[in-house]
Amino acid sequence: QQQVKQSPQSLIVQKGGISIINCAYENTAFDYFPWYQQFPGKGPALLIAIRPDVSEKKEGRFTISFNKSAKQFSLHIMDSQPGDSATYFCAASEDGGSNYKLTFGKGTLLTVNP
Amino acid sequence: ETGVTQSPTHLIKTRGQQVTLRCSSQSGHNTVSWYQQALGQGPQFIFQYYREEENGRGNFPPRFSGLQFPNYSSELNVNALELDDSALYLCASSPGQNSPLHFGNGTRLTVT
Repeated sequence: QQQVKQSPQSLIVQKGGISIINCAYENTAFDYFPWYQQFPGKGPALLIAIRPDVSEKKEGRFTISFNKSAKQFSLHIMDSQPGDSATYFCAASEDGGSNYKLTFGKGTLLTVNP
Repeated sequence: ETGVTQSPTHLIKTRGQQVTLRCSSQSGHNTVSWYQQALGQGPQFIFQYYREEENGRGNFPPRFSGLQFPNYSSELNVNALELDDSALYLCASSPGQNSPLHFGNGTRLTVT
């Protein structure tokens, strides 16, 4: 049972464009939603995270939008750069993030063309 | 640099063998979690240790076991290796108190 569904599987964006990755979850007990970035040969690195008490969180060029009623959240990368080319994973967990059992989506391979 | 170091980086084993993977966390990181990442998939939670006790487990059989030591190092042991165990194994640690997980770069295990 896939509890976090991520789309698209791959995404190609031109430099300067907006990259949008979407995730949907099923478990209503989830209350912590991080996004991770993974480069080849490296472990995932936390980009940005949100809790359901807010609908949007922005850090630099990265924004999470959260829709609790639809059980969906998305990552927007503004002014995408070739250095952003990586695999992005959404994840979710319970207990506000103090429970480190993260459920990950299957990932989105982002390619930003120069 | 996350401060989470895993060894070895790559490993090849034969089906039926046993393997031990190692992780070294930063001082003060009382929580360590292990994840399995199959090729082209997201990481899957194996288990979590807090102050040397297992306190959470994912959908993995008992032949996956672990240890956490007082010096912030930990081990993942897998017995009776199967071909499907081929994956990247990730260790992640946190100082707790709602701090995020920091992942190591993983051990790539190939079972032939």
